[in-house]
Amino acid sequence: NAGVTQTPKFQVLKTGQSMTLQCAQDMNHEYMSWYRQDPGMGLRLIHYSVGAGITDQGEVPNGYNVSRSTTEDFPLRLLSAAPSQTSVYFCASSLGAGGQYNEQFFGPGTRLTVL
Amino acid sequence: AQSVAQPEDQVNVAEGNPLTVKCTYSVSGNPYLFWYVQYPNRGLQFLLKYITGDNLVKGSYGFEAEFNKSQTSFHLKKPSALVSDSALYFCAVRDSRGTDKLIFGTGTRLQVFP
Repeated sequence: NAGVTQTPKFQVLKTGQSMTLQCAQDMNHEYMSWYRQDPGMGLRLIHYSVGAGITDQGEVPNGYNVSRSTTEDFPLRLLSAAPSQTSVYFCASSLGAGGQYNEQFFGPGTRLTVL
Repeated sequence: AQSVAQPEDQVNVAEGNPLTVKCTYSVSGNPYLFWYVQYPNRGLQFLLKYITGDNLVKGSYGFEAEFNKSQTSFHLKKPSALVSDSALYFCAVRDSRGTDKLIFGTGTRLQVFP
């Protein structure tokens, strides 16, 4: 198993540009999520999904969009990049299916800089 | 609302000494608690979790955590630190709504000196 994969590893954008961060997992996990990590602030949840076709907002959803058309993929879209979105982005997945206390598996991260 | 607090930004310890990384929690209902580790330029890795049962939970790489309900704490411990344990450690609590959603603390940087 490749686990959770993320592309690209690094990205530099100009203010106002849009882009999609890719996330895929091959573990048949129901639950997937996107976090951003900023110094001194830990990990903050952007969006999450409990299964294909179902998404919900996390703590800091503004400026980001997600969709979950398949179990495997959970892309994160930046609609119009802003310098405040400079961060490291992590995708994670877990078994889900409610009632279980499942640990999350994390991807290697995407380091995004917005100029 | 569920939350966790990690009161120390950094913990310094000499190699071979015991280490403790602190975490306190605030939950409604039963707490489901996790520890993760992040090595430089890597994603987070699961270390251990407390769901129910024994208050001392054993995890990966020789780490363990002690659940204390009266003090609402879940401190991470290791009897003998290694230089390779130097990393960023996160405590997390599961959201009360029954999904796998986690709420993370701000992280504690552990520095083990030779």
